[in-house]
Amino acid sequence: QVQLVQSGPELKKPGESVKISCRASGYTFTDYAMNWVKQAPGNGLKWMGWINTQTGKPTYADDFKQRFVFSLETSASTAYLQINNLNIEDTATYFCTRYDYPGIFAYWGQGVMVTVSS
Amino acid sequence: DIQMTQSPASLSASLGETISIECLASEGISSYLAWYQQRPGKSPQLLIYGANSLQAGVPSRFSGSGSGTQYSLKISSMQPEDEGDYFCQQSYKFPYTFGAGTKLELK
Repeated sequence: QVQLVQSGPELKKPGESVKISCRASGYTFTDYAMNWVKQAPGNGLKWMGWINTQTGKPTYADDFKQRFVFSLETSASTAYLQINNLNIEDTATYFCTRYDYPGIFAYWGQGVMVTVSS
Repeated sequence: DIQMTQSPASLSASLGETISIECLASEGISSYLAWYQQRPGKSPQLLIYGANSLQAGVPSRFSGSGSGTQYSLKISSMQPEDEGDYFCQQSYKFPYTFGAGTKLELK
């Protein structure tokens, strides 16, 4: 069965970086794009962008173009989200989710809580 | 960006009650509309896609309808496990956008 398993919670200080992982299983990793979604505490869902798992080309939503990096380790069926120069507003749960046509997200990771605090 | 205006923000329903949640897009999205349920501390779960297609494994008391800019999710008989947050999402244009959510509670 399809599974997306994400890494554990992170506690970071402002200015630090964090890299969270999303390991896929149960399907051919390169057949589906991977998307990332942010959920700040008590807030709704915000789409961050996606990465083409065949080419490695990332596409970022406007709010996530500066300090955010999507990457892959295809041999390990794993996608990564790195956030540089963390600030308090980055405190959130970050989900990876597999893209299925037509633009639906049927499979989600369990989410990674990133807390940024001095 | 396409804005998704969801209403109501919160809702309280009795067991067996029928409820509806609305989602209004700021422009036509050609039924590229999905609904998700999110229970506390969990990941979102896809309920409906293509405005009215029921995702496999989702109970048939959930249904979706709408076209153009107006869409709705109906739960025909409220059950305790239906408590949670509900979000609509458009996939017609980048960036994909979600509604602000509806918190559904059992009365």
